Amino acid sequence: EIVTTQSPATLSVSPGERVTLSCGVSQSVGTNLAWYQQRADQPPRLLIYGASIRATGIPARFSGSGSGTEFTLTISSLLSEDFAVYYCQQYDHWPLTFGGGTKVEIK
Amino acid sequence: QVQLVQSGAEVKKPGASLKVSCKASGYSFKSYYIHWVRQAPGQGLEWMGLISPGGDTITYAQRFQGRVTVTGDTSTNTVYMELSSLRSEDTAMYYCARSVFTPHSHWFDSWGQGTLVTVSP
Repeated sequence: EIVTTQSPATLSVSPGERVTLSCGVSQSVGTNLAWYQQRADQPPRLLIYGASIRATGIPARFSGSGSGTEFTLTISSLLSEDFAVYYCQQYDHWPLTFGGGTKVEIK
Repeated sequence: QVQLVQSGAEVKKPGASLKVSCKASGYSFKSYYIHWVRQAPGQGLEWMGLISPGGDTITYAQRFQGRVTVTGDTSTNTVYMELSSLRSEDTAMYYCARSVFTPHSHWFDSWGQGTLVTVSP
């Protein structure tokens, strides 16, 4: 099973700041990686798939990069609605696995 | 619009079984897999299994093998997830989610609202 790891666990930032979240996987997944945002008491929402392709309706301030074993999600300028938990997910190998999440909280 | 509507919250006793439904609408059911993902309170996401649109492919995460059964009804575009021998650790929010029916495309672009399952004596 591929181990998917996210860092940091929690990020305290101010609105307007640029944020970079990291995701690592234990073996190469190519670009078969997705990112999700989960706000409190809501299901996850797809942000990025194929490591760097924004899902339909996702604002341009969200961008993804990376391939192989190291990936990043960048939010260029945080808005209030971006304070949430972010998960990465690899879909190259079975079973599908998620990272433990990064909580982006208000500083 | 795309909708995955799940059945309501459940309270179960240890050792019991659970069956959650997920009704799809607003898209071509034949074009998407349906997956089940769970989330324990305050924890991360855990993939449980998937079913293909026609039900000919069903895959489970090994840790749930023998306890989980996923079935589908194409006449009603509904997928069911049954989990047996429930224990307290199965207390979680259970989500269904869809992924497009093509190889290496198992990202989830639409999710159900979630079904809260509580296992308690």
